[in-house]
Amino acid sequence: GESVGLHLPTLSVQEGDNSIINCAYSNSASDYFIWYKQESGKGPQFIIDIRSNMDKRQGQRVTVLLNKTVKHLSLQIAATQPGDSAVYFCAETPYNQGGKLIFGQGTELSVKP
Amino acid sequence: NAGVTQTPKFQVLKTGQSMTLQCAQDMNHNSMYWYRQDPGMGLRLIYYSASEGTTDKGEVPNGYNVSRLNKREFSLRLESAAPSQTSVYFCASSDLGTAYGYTFGSGTRLTVV
Repeated sequence: GESVGLHLPTLSVQEGDNSIINCAYSNSASDYFIWYKQESGKGPQFIIDIRSNMDKRQGQRVTVLLNKTVKHLSLQIAATQPGDSAVYFCAETPYNQGGKLIFGQGTELSVKP
Repeated sequence: NAGVTQTPKFQVLKTGQSMTLQCAQDMNHNSMYWYRQDPGMGLRLIYYSASEGTTDKGEVPNGYNVSRLNKREFSLRLESAAPSQTSVYFCASSDLGTAYGYTFGSGTRLTVV
């Protein structure tokens, strides 16, 4: 069935280092991918998105890379800060399915000061 | 600008009781969604409404019903609550039946005892 999964359930980094969170997806028909940040007790918060016709997209301190050949998505956070500590989810949306999101399990990022 | 508002924020039910979770958005979005999130997992789609007047099942619809009351409001009903429905419930909305502009509410934490 359709699924989106993450390679690492937890990631611990030192403040100031770069973080890389990975995600594998299985639905080749997905045309849009989103990374969400979820802090404890809150709803998912949009970080960055990428369409399937792109390989890379940059935001403020974040970069998303998409490798369609191996169905892999990654989120890079530059100069990680304590405020980046949260659970990060990737999500995919299959083409023409009413905007449904399929979420991965999530990776918990812990930033050590 | 409130975005997506969910009520209540917390609820405890006894097995067999019924209740309705309320969701309203003020962004004039066409599509609305209900997800549940269990510990250590990503969000799973329960039901969605691509546009006013339509509803469709998601990944885990059993035990739930929904009503798209108008463009702003989308409610989720548990007719006979079961302990397996203990979860955090998130409502979301987006524009034009796509994932663009997806916005989540802050969640309802439901415990069924």
